[in-house]
Amino acid sequence: AQTVTQSQPEMSVQEAETVTLSCTYDTSESDYYLFWYKQPPSRQMILVIRQEAYKQQNATENRFSVNFQKAAKSFSLKISDSQLGDAAMYFCAYRIATNKLIFGTGTLLAVQP
Amino acid sequence: GAVVSQHPSRVICKSGTSVKIECRSLDFQATTMFWYRQFPKQSLMLMATSNEGSKATYEQGVEKDKFLINHASLTLSTLTVTSAHPEDSSFYICSARDSVATEQYFGPGTRLTVL
Repeated sequence: AQTVTQSQPEMSVQEAETVTLSCTYDTSESDYYLFWYKQPPSRQMILVIRQEAYKQQNATENRFSVNFQKAAKSFSLKISDSQLGDAAMYFCAYRIATNKLIFGTGTLLAVQP
Repeated sequence: GAVVSQHPSRVICKSGTSVKIECRSLDFQATTMFWYRQFPKQSLMLMATSNEGSKATYEQGVEKDKFLINHASLTLSTLTVTSAHPEDSSFYICSARDSVATEQYFGPGTRLTVL
């Protein structure tokens, strides 16, 4: 069964600093997608970044980047130059062939001014 | 970007009544829609996958007779919680995917409170 594990229930970072959120997953498939979603207090799910498993190059979106280690089944999110608006719940997600998304348990990120 | 709306944003109902939640894709045709449930401080749990013009596929443990899903058009899916009880109180989120997108677009969610 596919599972997604986020081992950090809560994280805190100082404004302008860098923080890394961890995610591991379990799958027997070779072709899949991985995502990081942000859920602010409004509860609206916002796509942060996406990684295709067949791509070796790590995805980057402005201040957000991932460290994708396929063999280790690891997919961490690095947020650089953290801003107050980055404070939110972050979910790692894995998309299987049927297009279903399987979410991790989430990491609540606090940004300290 | 693609926009998905949900209506209502919040609803309060009495135990035993039925509640309908609508999910609409506003600027694209959604061949597939997904319904999730989220309890406070927890993750999203997929309830069912809705495909236009066919029966929904429910996840294990989800009562199909209690959570009725209809995907009658390419822009609208509805979730009806029948004979709602307090334990059905939760945050319900839909997402939609068109035929070419690699990601799902999420609605803003509906908070259901059953008294």
